[in-house]
Amino acid sequence: DTGVSQNPRHKITKRGQNVTFRCDPISEHNRLYWYRQTLGQGPEFLTYFQNEAQLEKSRLLSDRFSAERPKGSFSTLEIQRTEQGDSAMYLCASSPGWVADTQYFGPGTRLTVL
Amino acid sequence: LAKTTQPISMDSYEGQEVNITCSHNNIATNDYITWYQQFPSQGPRFIIQGYKTKVTNEVASLFIPADRKSSTLSLPRVSLSDTAVYYCLVAAHGSSNTGKLIFGQGTTLQVKP
Repeated sequence: DTGVSQNPRHKITKRGQNVTFRCDPISEHNRLYWYRQTLGQGPEFLTYFQNEAQLEKSRLLSDRFSAERPKGSFSTLEIQRTEQGDSAMYLCASSPGWVADTQYFGPGTRLTVL
Repeated sequence: LAKTTQPISMDSYEGQEVNITCSHNNIATNDYITWYQQFPSQGPRFIIQGYKTKVTNEVASLFIPADRKSSTLSLPRVSLSDTAVYYCLVAAHGSSNTGKLIFGQGTTLQVKP
């Protein structure tokens, strides 16, 4: 399967702990996106990478959130000092970045903060 | 980015054709219209994309009138497995745009036997 993969699929943590999620995009895709989805809502954009450069961050991404994409391959999203409000599905998507491109989403990481 | 409006929910029966209409009155010249499908606990899946007139693929058809202020996703002969949330989005494409997607609440389609 050469689709977008995300690990872990589920994460349960206690409030105040740090968590890190990983996304492996489709190999030839140079664009990578992170979204967050809460129950009953559509996904919300968090941040965007063009290769290794982080080019846009949503105001939803507080200073407790950080994302990296070293060497323009996989990406990590870290949340420090987790809060109960961080409980959500974190989705990663990638796209080739050309005209009329399509974003391909991974299965997501479900975070539960106790 | 253009805002979209679509029904919150729809019901249908197996074998019927389902049409979901989306309004995007402020669509820009370089915006494309894209539909995604999402099942519970999965990421959204691309269904179809178009710019104008009609687009058809193996899954659905997309009808876009000349003014492009609305679009209709048509699912032929739905089955129980088509029960999902369907999102209509408009976004500009090309290397000069980030391509980030703005999702609304989507339309929850319930297919009944």
